[in-house]
Amino acid sequence: KNEVEQSPQNLTAQEGEFITINCSYSVGISALHWLQQHPGGGIVSLFMLSSGKKKHGRLIATINIQEKHSSLHITASHPRDSAVYICAVREGKLTFGTGTRLTIIP
Amino acid sequence: EAEVAQSPRYKITEKSQAVAFWCDPISGHATLYWYRQILGQGPELLVQFQDESVVDDSQLPKDRFSAERLKGVDSTLKIQPAELGDSAMYLCASAGGSAYEQYFGPGTRLTVT
Repeated sequence: KNEVEQSPQNLTAQEGEFITINCSYSVGISALHWLQQHPGGGIVSLFMLSSGKKKHGRLIATINIQEKHSSLHITASHPRDSAVYICAVREGKLTFGTGTRLTIIP
Repeated sequence: EAEVAQSPRYKITEKSQAVAFWCDPISGHATLYWYRQILGQGPELLVQFQDESVVDDSQLPKDRFSAERLKGVDSTLKIQPAELGDSAMYLCASAGGSAYEQYFGPGTRLTVT
């Protein structure tokens, strides 16, 4: 079974700061997902990637397949970015990390 | 934009009672997933359907949980009898074709007292 670890578990930052959330996994995968979960529970898919880098607005996701590691970056962070960010890896089915709770203070 | 619908959004029930959750996936999505998310943890797959067939229910506690998707469209997840440890968020997701991307519903938050 793939072990998915995220760091940090909790992150509090000031508005405008550059944010990095990390995800490591133990077994080779076909794809990695970054998801955002707001209070209330709904989950939104941010990125799905199997190599390299993807960018959407202020969000950037990178993956290093050899090192089994991915990062999610948020530039110019804003209070509305406050949420739980979850990394999930696919090898057949999805295995989820426990999430990183991000709080952006105005 | 098409969304996955779930109901109810919140449910409080006493232990030993029966409870049911409903999910309506995005139209045309053949794959449907039920996940359980305990507070502070990531979602855990309970059951995966491909059309009306169960593909994976290896983590479904079959002594008390059941899931069906009779016509390959909407789905129901049932717990009978509910236990205190079943308190969690129950998430439904769907995916279309060979796409890996899953679309999640808003979830049902279950509290068992």
